[in-house]
Amino acid sequence: GNSVTQMEGPVTLSEEAFLTINCTYTATGYPSLFWYVQYPGEGLQLLLKATKADDKGSNKGFEATYRKETTSFHLEKGSVQVSDSAVYFCALDSNYQLIWGAGTKLIIKP
Amino acid sequence: KAGVTQTPRYLIKTRGQQVTLSCSPISGHRSVSWYQQTPGQGLQFLFEYFSETQRNKGNFPGRFSGRQFSNSRSEMNVSTLELGDSALYLCASSLGTGGSPGELFFGEGSRLTVL
Repeated sequence: GNSVTQMEGPVTLSEEAFLTINCTYTATGYPSLFWYVQYPGEGLQLLLKATKADDKGSNKGFEATYRKETTSFHLEKGSVQVSDSAVYFCALDSNYQLIWGAGTKLIIKP
Repeated sequence: KAGVTQTPRYLIKTRGQQVTLSCSPISGHRSVSWYQQTPGQGLQFLFEYFSETQRNKGNFPGRFSGRQFSNSRSEMNVSTLELGDSALYLCASSLGTGGSPGELFFGEGSRLTVL
């Protein structure tokens, strides 16, 4: 069946460091791919999405490219801030539901 | 524009009891989905409704049920509660058109503790 695998956390970085959170997927067909973020004490919210191969989603300095050949959707940011500390979830859509990765907790130290 | 509202936010029940959780979607959204979030299992899909019809259901026992009303509000019910049902239950709404759920807008969740 369809599944999403994310790198395990927590990931701890210093402010202004480069961020990569890996996400790979297994799916039949070509699902849309998403990154959601859960800030401390807040609900889940969409960070970015890509709906077809080679699409690049971007928001708030974060980017992710839909790579069909490697079945990946890695999240990147060039310079992280303390305010980026949160849990990040990779997901794909399948039959009216989202299938989620386990989530990666990101800790940014000043 | 009001967001997704879930009630109650916190509740404590004992084993064997039942619970009903409520979700009011964003105005104009016709799809409501429910997810269970636990530290061990992560986010797991419960069910999705669109215009009062269940379009998909996750792999949960029949004790978990839901429904959607004509105003798109939704409820989920868990009967004969077990300790393992302790979780954060998240409701999400979306426009629901097309095959993809698209962008989901989540409520803050209902945190259920079963003693």
